[in-house]
Amino acid sequence: GAGVSQSPSNKVTEKGKDVELRCDPISGHTALYWYRQSLGQGLEFLIYFQGNSAPDKSGLPSDRFSAERTGGSVSTLTIQRTQQEDSAVYLCASSLVLAGDQQFFGPGTRLTVL
Amino acid sequence: SQQGEEDPQALSIQEGENATMNCSYKTSINNLQWYRQNSGRGLVHLILIRSNEREKHSGRLRVTLDTSKKSSSLLITASRAADTASYFCATVRTDSWGKLQFGAGTQVVVTP
Repeated sequence: GAGVSQSPSNKVTEKGKDVELRCDPISGHTALYWYRQSLGQGLEFLIYFQGNSAPDKSGLPSDRFSAERTGGSVSTLTIQRTQQEDSAVYLCASSLVLAGDQQFFGPGTRLTVL
Repeated sequence: SQQGEEDPQALSIQEGENATMNCSYKTSINNLQWYRQNSGRGLVHLILIRSNEREKHSGRLRVTLDTSKKSSSLLITASRAADTASYFCATVRTDSWGKLQFGAGTQVVVTP
């Protein structure tokens, strides 16, 4: 079946604007994860969902970042009032259950904040 | 913060040679996983080793885990140009189920 998809693949925005990044997990996967990869910080965990709830939001860098998941499927990561340090590749992953097993990653969204 | 540290940071070898990279971590883990990334985009899962396992094989990959030293190694045998990629170890900690904590990665270049 289809893998994890993310949109857009690239996003260029101006400082101060809001952006929304979308993730479509593999059908039937109950767990969904967001990570961020940047040159200075490597791969960082942001947030995960079990179904529609997010038990662990500890990785969100600031209150400008939020995420939601509806219907146990699609998730949206929203960054408000973007800053240049938000520039990174945002990766989404999903797994069948939240069991610490392998995660299937999407191709990522490259965000550039000018 | 990153859980793991990997060495070397970069590795350049010729086709047919073996490539070995190491990963160290700091806390108690449930399992350790290795992922490959091409061209800075999506990661592909390679292999998972659980905390009660010491060695695991998958094709040309061999992973070892030493929980007493909190370290793991990934060996790629008979490397190919297509193995050129960045390799990351990631741990699932016993106190934070589900999320992966990644090392800094090893960039491997295999020349024909």
